[in-house]
Amino acid sequence: AQSVTQLGSHVSVSEGALVLLRCNYSSSVPPYLFWYVQYPNQGLQLLLKYTSAATLVKGINGFEAEFKKSETSFHLTKPSAHMSDAAEYFCAVSDGRSGGGADGLTFGKGTHLIIQP
Amino acid sequence: NAGVTQTPKFQVLKTGQSMTLQCAQDMNHNSMYWYRQDPGMGLRLIYYSASEGTTDKGEVPNGYNVSRLNKREFSLRLESAAPSQTSVYFCASGRTTGSYEQYFGPGTRLTVT
Repeated sequence: AQSVTQLGSHVSVSEGALVLLRCNYSSSVPPYLFWYVQYPNQGLQLLLKYTSAATLVKGINGFEAEFKKSETSFHLTKPSAHMSDAAEYFCAVSDGRSGGGADGLTFGKGTHLIIQP
Repeated sequence: NAGVTQTPKFQVLKTGQSMTLQCAQDMNHNSMYWYRQDPGMGLRLIYYSASEGTTDKGEVPNGYNVSRLNKREFSLRLESAAPSQTSVYFCASGRTTGSYEQYFGPGTRLTVT
């Protein structure tokens, strides 16, 4: 079975500082990995995805993530935090089983990113 | 292009009442999903439909039923609501080829008293 662990339910950074949100996964097969962002009272928006084409993945809003197979990690980073980045961030994994990945994503519990002015 | 739409946005039910949450997508995706989101729990899969005419249980299916009405629509029914079903419900649709990313609706906030 696949699983996702997000270290830190809350992360606080200063505006302009580096953002680092941690995600570790377990999967019995090469995974597909995703980061989603959720703003208050909204649905989830896809930030970026890893599909084995490249280990460093760039997403929207200046975020990027690096897939490290040896560490089973997919940490999300942004060089300089902006106030508008304050939101809940979810890491998710699919191992593409049962007919092409149609059996849903497994999500981490989320990390609430707080930006200090 | 509306993406994934859900109705209603908010609902309050009394214990034992029933209701149906509606979901529709216009992205021509084969797969559709229902998740629930509870504080500190992330999103958990309730049911999914890999294609029109098929449905399967996810991680937390008890107390729910689903219907894949056609390729666009996937509904979630609570036959006898319980306070433990107080949650935010998200519908999603996704690809079954390529990278399997999913696209989410805005959610339905359900309170059962």
